[in-house]
Amino acid sequence: EVQLLESGGGLVQPGGSVRVSCAASGFTFDSYSMSWVRQAPGRGLEWVSTISTRGGSIYHAESVKGRFAISRDNSKNTLYLQINSLRGEDTALYYCAKGMESGWYYLDFWGQGILVTVSS
Amino acid sequence: QSALTQPASVSGSPGQSITISCTGTSNDVGEYNYVSWYQQHPGKAPKLMIYEVSNRPSGVSNRFSGSKSGNTASLTISGLQAEDEADYYCSSYATTNTKVFGGGTKLTVL
Repeated sequence: EVQLLESGGGLVQPGGSVRVSCAASGFTFDSYSMSWVRQAPGRGLEWVSTISTRGGSIYHAESVKGRFAISRDNSKNTLYLQINSLRGEDTALYYCAKGMESGWYYLDFWGQGILVTVSS
Repeated sequence: QSALTQPASVSGSPGQSITISCTGTSNDVGEYNYVSWYQQHPGKAPKLMIYEVSNRPSGVSNRFSGSKSGNTASLTISGLQAEDEADYYCSSYATTNTKVFGGGTKLTVL
């Protein structure tokens, strides 16, 4: 059974940093691209970042370029998102999601999400 | 990258069919057959319902179907059931290796 478990969120001050993690199990982690998608309270889904199987290709939404960094450790079956220079609009539930063989843009399994709240 | 355009809400009675539209541009929906649809119940993670415009992942009911014409993709749910009440999001691959979601549609089963 595929499982994705996010961790590392919490309350962070504006301008601060946080790293969220996603522990994966139940599938061959290093065979699939992985993505982060966020959802602000009461709002819709927003794609954030994607990383290829070995990390050789990385894609970011324009809104987070330069502040967010996605990475993965295939030896630990773990996906990361480093979020810097946090702003109020970054307050959201951050989901990690697994890509499909058909394409990284199809997300067939999702974690339950981790909340990042930016506030002083 | 602008979000894809979806109606804010749709509704239908049990047993009926409904269609949710998703309008993009020639940079996303119109250019690529890489459209997907996600269902999200309150407080739950999204679930992939359709990928590659019209393909269903294993385990998704055949009451869900997808299509595309020009810059607009559509999700049709036939034989509406109470459990279908949820938010639905379309998504598309877009130029320069990005992915864009629609604003979401709240489906109410009357």
